[in-house]
Amino acid sequence: QVQLVESGGGVVQPGGSLRLSCAASGFTFSTFGMHWVRQAPGKGLEWVGFIRYDEMNKYYADSVKGRFTISRDNSKNTLYLQMNSLSAEDTAVYYCARVGREFWTASYFDYWGQGTLVTVSS
Amino acid sequence: EIVLTQSPDTLSLSPGERATLSCRASQSVSSSYLAWYQQKPGQAPRLVIYDASTRATGIPDRFSGSGSGTEFSLTIRGLEPEDFAVYYCQQYSSSPQTFGQGTKVEI
Repeated sequence: QVQLVESGGGVVQPGGSLRLSCAASGFTFSTFGMHWVRQAPGKGLEWVGFIRYDEMNKYYADSVKGRFTISRDNSKNTLYLQMNSLSAEDTAVYYCARVGREFWTASYFDYWGQGTLVTVSS
Repeated sequence: EIVLTQSPDTLSLSPGERATLSCRASQSVSSSYLAWYQQKPGQAPRLVIYDASTRATGIPDRFSGSGSGTEFSLTIRGLEPEDFAVYYCQQYSSSPQTFGQGTKVEI
C-alpha cells in the first residue's frame, strides 16, 4: 500500500535551516509528482511547493520562494524540502503529498504523509 | 491566484442529518479541478472528492460533490459519528494551488 513517511522536523532558531525528508513506498515513485503542504498550529492548509516526477519543473508558494528548495532522489524513493532563513511564520506541520495522477502536474493529492512538526523559536 | 471561500465556518448538526458545505472561487475553476479533503484532529487530510464530483477510493456514497465554475458544494447525507471533522476545498486548475479556509462540521 502507498506510504509516505516524513522526517526531519524539530526545533530550529530563527534564521536557521532544516531539511525534511519524505520516504515513499508502495508505488512507482519516479512517475508521480509530489507536493509539500504545511499547516500552522490551529490554522488551515497552505500549499508550499511541487516537484515534477522527473524534477523538470518545480513551483513554490510566494511565501517560501527563494528560501525553500524541493528536490527528490528517485533511486531512493525520497522527497526533500530544504528550508533556509526560517522564521516564526514557518512554524507548522509539514506534509508531503502525492499527486493523484501519474505524470500530471495539476492534480489533487490522493495520499498524504502523517506530517512532521517544524518549530522555529529561539 | 484563485481564492476559495468556504461557508459556513462551522456547521453544527446531529448524526443522521444532512450537511451541505459550500466553496466559492474568486475565478472560474476550469475543468472542475476541485477537490475536498476531510481532516480530523491530529491526522493528515484525507481525500474525499476530486474533479468536483468523483468520490475517492474508499469514500462511502453518502458523500457527494457537485458544482462547476465558481460554485461548488460537498453534501454528506446522513451524518455518521466519524464524519465530524474539518473539510477543506482545494482548486488545482491554476497555480498556485489553493485551499479554502475550512468548514468544521461539529456535533
